[in-house]
Amino acid sequence: DVKVTQSSRYLVKRTGEKVFLECVQDMDHENMFWYRQDPGLGLRLIYFSYDVKMKEKGDIPEGYSVSREKKERFSLILESASTNQTSMYLCASSDSISETQYFGPGTRLLVL
Amino acid sequence: AQRVTQPEKLLSVFKGAPVELKCNYSYSGSPELFWYVQYSRQRLQLLLRHISRESIKGFTADLNKGETSFHLKKPFAQEEDSAMYYCALTLASNYQLIWGAGTKLIIKP
Repeated sequence: DVKVTQSSRYLVKRTGEKVFLECVQDMDHENMFWYRQDPGLGLRLIYFSYDVKMKEKGDIPEGYSVSREKKERFSLILESASTNQTSMYLCASSDSISETQYFGPGTRLLVL
Repeated sequence: AQRVTQPEKLLSVFKGAPVELKCNYSYSGSPELFWYVQYSRQRLQLLLRHISRESIKGFTADLNKGETSFHLKKPFAQEEDSAMYYCALTLASNYQLIWGAGTKLIIKP
């Protein structure tokens, strides 16, 4: 079974703090994704990566950056957290053949 | 531009009644479509994809290119079907998925 894990289930941060969200997958998938999930808006892609050290902006990259130094790990960084970044953050991975995305359990981030 | 539309934010039906969750898409290429489901307190997971033509948990979905739709159907709803359902379209060029806003399905006893 594909396993995608995220470093935290719940996180509370203050405005202006730097926030790191980590995602690890154990299936040697090439592609990894970061989404935010908000009610009524569905999933919105923040960034994705199709290879180590490669990254592509998604639909809402502003205020975020990512890092992929190893194939299994994809980190999302909020350089200076703001209250409008309070959300559920989902990480996913996929291989280049099936295109099915496998999701982590999510990190619910609250920025005060 | 590619888009996936799920017109219903909330759908509530009685147990045993038929269920249809609507999904329409706009895409100029040859689409590949998916339904994902998120049960309460569980992670988002694939329910089915049109290319496999499977029936999963009694759900089916047929791609209708003429109407650009990929509606999800089940003839007899069960309480455990209550969940959030997302329709998604893949962009073959870069492995991205374009997501609908989701439909929350509630099955009433």
